[in-house]
Amino acid sequence: QQQVKQSPQSLIVQKGGISIINCAYENTAFDYFPWYQQFPGKGPALLIAIRPDVSEKKEGRFTISFNKSAKQFSLHIMDSQPGDSATYFCAASIPIVSGSNYKLTFGKGTLLTVNP
Amino acid sequence: DSGVTQTPKHLITATGQRVTLRCSPRSGDLSVYWYQQSLDQGLQFLIQYYNGEERAKGNILERFSAQQFPDLHSELNLSSLELGDSALYFCASSVGRGPNNEQFFGPGTRLTVL
Repeated sequence: QQQVKQSPQSLIVQKGGISIINCAYENTAFDYFPWYQQFPGKGPALLIAIRPDVSEKKEGRFTISFNKSAKQFSLHIMDSQPGDSATYFCAASIPIVSGSNYKLTFGKGTLLTVNP
Repeated sequence: DSGVTQTPKHLITATGQRVTLRCSPRSGDLSVYWYQQSLDQGLQFLIQYYNGEERAKGNILERFSAQQFPDLHSELNLSSLELGDSALYFCASSVGRGPNNEQFFGPGTRLTVL
């Protein structure tokens, strides 16, 4: 099963707070886990990504935590700002066919609103 | 601006019709991906081309087809359109084919089927 489950569907956070978005997957063949950020009227843009041999990756205010045994990963946004208000998608990549090609499976998305 | 361009931005058509969506990847990118985004299904991978050849297929309907031309631009053809085909269609491009190759998304084409 190539499904990625994302929660919550929507999230409201006060400025300066921590935003946490969670994802879970079933297929252990997934080997790359990116997060995408999408603003209204725009295409998704890569925010941060992690491989399963690493438990945490931090870039600025954004951190991915990865729990391989639980097959879960999450995005933490520290000191959330109104400019972070967007839809966030987790994704997982799986090799297909010969293994030199990959496809991304996306979660359903989380609409984050950061109130000033 | 991701460097990926898509035309047209909006497309309104009727059921049963056929449309063509166009994508120009970033300069130097050899891979092109097509995605469909709808409220109920979310963001779904349709198909990938690499240097002119089809490399991976996702949830693409038989009524849909795509190709990548020698200049690396790509077209997604949607035929016998149904109301349920109304969605945002995104093109993305990357340098290579592997998972570590960041995919850069275009601004999308919004298709409305009436």
